Amino acid sequence: DAEITQSPRHKITETGRQVTLACHQTWNHNNMFWYRQDLGHGLRLIHYSYGVHDTNKGEVSDGYSVSRSNTEDLPLTLESAASSQTSVYFCASSESLDSNTGELFFGEGSRLTVL
Amino acid sequence: GQNIDQPTEMTATEGAIVQINCTYQTSGFNGLFWYQQHAGEAPTFLSYNVLDGLEEKGRFSSFLSRSKGYSYLLLKELQMKDSASYLCAVMDSNYQLIWGAGTKLIIKP
Repeated sequence: DAEITQSPRHKITETGRQVTLACHQTWNHNNMFWYRQDLGHGLRLIHYSYGVHDTNKGEVSDGYSVSRSNTEDLPLTLESAASSQTSVYFCASSESLDSNTGELFFGEGSRLTVL
Repeated sequence: GQNIDQPTEMTATEGAIVQINCTYQTSGFNGLFWYQQHAGEAPTFLSYNVLDGLEEKGRFSSFLSRSKGYSYLLLKELQMKDSASYLCAVMDSNYQLIWGAGTKLIIKP
């Protein structure tokens, strides 16, 4: 069965360290997204990609970067982790942007704590 | 600015019916999605509406009125497993999803 997996599922790091969260999907979807989810907020878009070598900034992209070298992977890097980046991060992919095939398939989430 | 409003929390009784409302103000409209998210888990897709009216899927139905900027998710014959957060999201004219903060639904026996 196709799936989307994230790693690590839990990570504790220190302020200033670089952290990379991995996301791998076997749906063969062109569209991939990174969100963060915090209490009291909706999902907030960090970065997204519509295909290989395509990356775009979302509404909360400061301090984060992504790269898309193949269809399956979209790693998210925190260049210098800050306490404000403590959150749950979700990776998602979709076949299209709208209609029923615009359904997002989410990974299990990565809980990041920055001390 | 773009905004999605939904109640923070609702409580209902097992076997009953509950309606979760969502109002939105966005730059354009390319569809509205509902997702279910159990505590500690990832969101999962429930429904998609792009035209006015009601879409029914088993115990769950979703309604859309584009002129009113309004949608609701109707859950019938509530079960304990329906205890979850329900997320409303609207796709704007740039095909960006704008998310509500979610409605936590508590089901009591």
